[in-house]
Amino acid sequence: EPEVTQTPSHQVTQMGQEVILRCVPISNHLYFYWYRQILGQKVEFLVSFYNNEISEKSEIFDDQFSVERPDGSNFTLKIRSTKLEDSAMYFCASSVMGAQETQYFGPGTRLLVL
Amino acid sequence: AQTVTQSQPEMSVQEAETVTLSCTYDTSESDYYLFWYKQPPSRQMILVIRQEAYKQQNATENRFSVNFQKAAKSFSLKISDSQLGDAAMYFCAYRSVASGSRLTFGEGTQLTVNP
Repeated sequence: EPEVTQTPSHQVTQMGQEVILRCVPISNHLYFYWYRQILGQKVEFLVSFYNNEISEKSEIFDDQFSVERPDGSNFTLKIRSTKLEDSAMYFCASSVMGAQETQYFGPGTRLLVL
Repeated sequence: AQTVTQSQPEMSVQEAETVTLSCTYDTSESDYYLFWYKQPPSRQMILVIRQEAYKQQNATENRFSVNFQKAAKSFSLKISDSQLGDAAMYFCAYRSVASGSRLTFGEGTQLTVNP
């Protein structure tokens, strides 16, 4: 069964450093998403992406964040200058289409900012 | 803005028994989707079941079923014949049809299954 994959599974970085989290969505899916879950808190929406542009973003997704689909398979989340409060589990998800479709999640990347 | 509330931080059930997890939500919209996701210790979010708001019939998926009460804005998950592998964090989630595709999650309910 096709699934969303994410790399790395864990990343430790120093405050102020740039990180790139990678995702490979399910191959026939057209919508891509990033969510994050700070330890002990709700899963929060960050951004959705369709047709090579952001279709929706939350108030969390500020100028420190960017997303990109650099090729036909990868979908990346870049945090430009990490802060301590960026420490969280980051989930990528994809769906065939948008609102009508179920989102399928990857296993997550645990980011720790020191 | 929509909100989703899960008032049970923790629940436990004996193996083979039935348990119901509660979820309420607040929205002014009439058309939306509701989901239950399971997050085992591996942390991956796995879809359990989905309900379209326009459907009156409650969704079922093998041992999992929902009780969808649209007027009361309630969406509970019933797990029958609980198995040890059902132990996980369960999240209720809402998605609008009209206004974007983001999922809004509840706080989660940690389910323990006792042998």
